[in-house]
Amino acid sequence: EDQVTQSPEALRLQEGESSSLNCSYTVSGLRGLFWYRQDPGKGPEFLFTLYSAGEEKEKERLKATLTKKESFLHITAPKPEDSATYLCAVQARGYNQGGKLIFGQGTELSVKP
Amino acid sequence: EPEVTQTPSHQVTQMGQEVILRCVPISNHLYFYWYRQILGQKVEFLVSFYNNEISEKSEIFDDQFSVERPDGSNFTLKIRSTKLEDSAMYFCASNFLNTEAFFGQGTRLTVV
Repeated sequence: EDQVTQSPEALRLQEGESSSLNCSYTVSGLRGLFWYRQDPGKGPEFLFTLYSAGEEKEKERLKATLTKKESFLHITAPKPEDSATYLCAVQARGYNQGGKLIFGQGTELSVKP
Repeated sequence: EPEVTQTPSHQVTQMGQEVILRCVPISNHLYFYWYRQILGQKVEFLVSFYNNEISEKSEIFDDQFSVERPDGSNFTLKIRSTKLEDSAMYFCASNFLNTEAFFGQGTRLTVV
């Protein structure tokens, strides 16, 4: 069964304190791994797509990496506005080119000034 | 910037009533989805829709649920006889071929 597990469930950082979020996955043929940001009461906001092991993507203070079993979201020198829940999702290969997303439970990040 | 639009933002309904949640996906997208998120839980896939038919559905998407694309822009989710456990945030999403999905801001459904 395709599954995504994120850790930690919650992370509290001081402004400027870098850290990493983990996403472990098992999937029957990975088409893509996605990172989203979700603010309270809002829909997921797309951040990155990773397709193959060794791939890296960066956006401002965020950097996502991918291995065959997990992905990391590295946050460098975070600011309070980075506070949100970060969701990891995988899409499996199949006949359907659209492809449903299987989400992890998210990591709730809080950055204090 | 194009976005997925959902209405209403909040719907309160009595148990047993029918509700229709509405979505306007991004205009050139081909795949449309509904997901739900019960408070404090994961975002869960309900159904995907392509070329005017359901392409995949989850175990959650039973006979009380249906989807429709009544015209060239709207995409709807109907829940025929709501239950208390249907209370959740419902998200519509859309994407083009093999690309990231964009989500709407959600409809909070409260069944009382």
